[in-house]
Amino acid sequence: EVQLLESGGRLVQPGGSLRLSCEDTGFAFSGYAMSWVRQAPGKGLEWVSRVSGTGSETEYADSVQGRFTISRDNAQNVVYLQMNNLRADDTAVYYCAKERNKWLPNDAFEMWGQGTVVSVSS
Amino acid sequence: EIVLTQSPATLSLSPGETATLSCRASENVDGNSVAWYQHRPGQSPRLLIYGPSARATHVPDRFSGSGSGTEFTLSISRLHPEDFVVYYCQQYGRTPYTFGQGTKLDIK
Repeated sequence: EVQLLESGGRLVQPGGSLRLSCEDTGFAFSGYAMSWVRQAPGKGLEWVSRVSGTGSETEYADSVQGRFTISRDNAQNVVYLQMNNLRADDTAVYYCAKERNKWLPNDAFEMWGQGTVVSVSS
Repeated sequence: EIVLTQSPATLSLSPGETATLSCRASENVDGNSVAWYQHRPGQSPRLLIYGPSARATHVPDRFSGSGSGTEFTLSISRLHPEDFVVYYCQQYGRTPYTFGQGTKLDIK
């Protein structure tokens, strides 16, 4: 059963913008911290950004700070990643990931989406 | 930022053997908050172990995690053919969360 469904990935030119979406089709979304994790071609996993269960706290990797913005809509069970000023090294599969336990301040990623491909090239 | 170094980069073993994968952190991981993920090509990562020795739901007991402080280990006993993929450790004790570079398990 698919629970996290990402969308929005496509080919975009350097300097362009893109918004990724991740819909949680399961029964519980509000309160669970969510992150975006990416994997560039031939590389390992890289954590990108995290939003708290309420949406009041957001955090970013240095590589995307100031260019990417994470947000969530708990009424619609969706988390977003707004990506601006995209660079070639942002090319990757982007996964959304849900933390395991909403009562812990931080937790492992128990649920992952299938990934959406972002390609930055002219 | 906590840097995680996994070793070896590639581990060549035969089905039925036991794999021992290492993850070393550049500083103590808060709460020993280390997880291990299995990543098959073309699929999403799968949580195996967290905290650092609890098995995730539906993970066979052939998979076990241990460690504390800066040294963590994933052990996989009685290797099955489908186990020969890539494994990542991750620290989630504090942000930025970080991953190791991965260990690829190869069939000898």
